[in-house]
Amino acid sequence: NAGVTQTPKFRILKIGQSMTLQCTQDMNHNYMYWYRQDPGMGLKLIYYSVGAGITDKGEVPNGYNVSRSTTEDFPLRLELAAPSQTSVYFCASSYGGAGNTIYFGEGSWLTVV
Amino acid sequence: GQQVMQIPQYQHVQEGEDFTTYCNSSTTLSNIQWYKQRPGGHPVFLIQLVKSGEVKKQKRLTFQFGEAKKNSSLHITATQTTDVGTYFCAGKNFGNEKLTFGTGTRLTIIP
Repeated sequence: NAGVTQTPKFRILKIGQSMTLQCTQDMNHNYMYWYRQDPGMGLKLIYYSVGAGITDKGEVPNGYNVSRSTTEDFPLRLELAAPSQTSVYFCASSYGGAGNTIYFGEGSWLTVV
Repeated sequence: GQQVMQIPQYQHVQEGEDFTTYCNSSTTLSNIQWYKQRPGGHPVFLIQLVKSGEVKKQKRLTFQFGEAKKNSSLHITATQTTDVGTYFCAGKNFGNEKLTFGTGTRLTIIP
């Protein structure tokens, strides 16, 4: 029962570097989400997708890009990393929209130095 | 945009005492969900409330949705060390498929 799987779990980036956070789910969920959580804070929605080929911006999309070529995968791309992007990133999925249970991955801890 | 605030931000209670966190939305919600996040962990779904004035119970946890569907509360009776974590509410607006998470209440238990 894998659920939502994120990689890597930990990463240190230098300012200006780029990287991709991988996310895959095996529950055949149509909705997928990326959230970030700054220390001691709540979750902010970065991007979400209602199905393969469809993505939309959340509250804090600047500095990020996503794609959804398959139902299972929803990678998050960080371009030109900045210290402000130091955070914990959670990928999540649900069957249907926000009126349904959202299942979260275990998180990716990213530090930009 | 929609804002969801929770109070208190932190709560320290003696083991066995009760605990309550309150969630307030700036807009009327179609439904509200509650999640628990253990330290170092990821949010885990607890419950969803949909109807105005709805009350649901899960063992020692009682969840309420306000009559105006703009506020909600979570009450834990006789806290245990396993209740440690941060509790988030998350609200959904009508016609919008995004959840807005509250600021969270971090609960610590003094044994």
